[in-house]
Amino acid sequence: GDSVTQMEGPVTLSEEAFLTINCTYTATGYPSLFWYVQYPGEGLQLLLKATKADDKGSNKGFEATYRKETTSFHLEKGSVQVSDSAVYFCALSDRGTSGSRLTFGEGTQLTVNP
Amino acid sequence: ETGVTQTPRHLVMGMTNKKSLKCEQHLGHNAMYWYKQSAKKPLELMFVYNFKEQTENNSVPSRFSPECPNSSHLFLHLHTLQPEDSALYLCASSQAASVGGSTDTQYFGPGTRLTVL
Repeated sequence: GDSVTQMEGPVTLSEEAFLTINCTYTATGYPSLFWYVQYPGEGLQLLLKATKADDKGSNKGFEATYRKETTSFHLEKGSVQVSDSAVYFCALSDRGTSGSRLTFGEGTQLTVNP
Repeated sequence: ETGVTQTPRHLVMGMTNKKSLKCEQHLGHNAMYWYKQSAKKPLELMFVYNFKEQTENNSVPSRFSPECPNSSHLFLHLHTLQPEDSALYLCASSQAASVGGSTDTQYFGPGTRLTVL
């Protein structure tokens, strides 16, 4: 079945550091790929997505490129801020006929120190 | 964010209680979902509803009983829960995928933090 593997956390960075959170996936079809972010005490918010190979999703300075050849969707940000501290989830969605079915990674806790 | 709302935000209940979680979406979607988020575990999909019909039950114990009276509302009825059911319960909605079409993004509510004593 489908699966998503994220780099283990927690990740601790200083403000303005470069961020990479690795994500690889296994899927039988052609999934859409997502990054969701969960701030403390809140639900999941969509951060960015890509629906086909070589697409780049971007939002709030975060980027991720859908790499079919390496089955990866790594999240990057050039300069993190304290406000980026949160848990980040990589997910894929298969193309079902009855709603989208998301498979999530385990999440990566990011802490950014001033 | 008012797209998907959930009430209550926090709930404490005993093992013999009966309670219900409510989810409402204002996005015009026609698919709704319940997820369970436990500490140190990936999110677990519990139920999927598509056009008010349940299309997926991910081997969820019968002490969890979902109800979807219309495409905008989703409930999770709880009875005789166990302490291990304590978790964050998340509701989400999306457009239902059409045959051969692309899969749409799921939008999440803030969750209900459930504690079972």
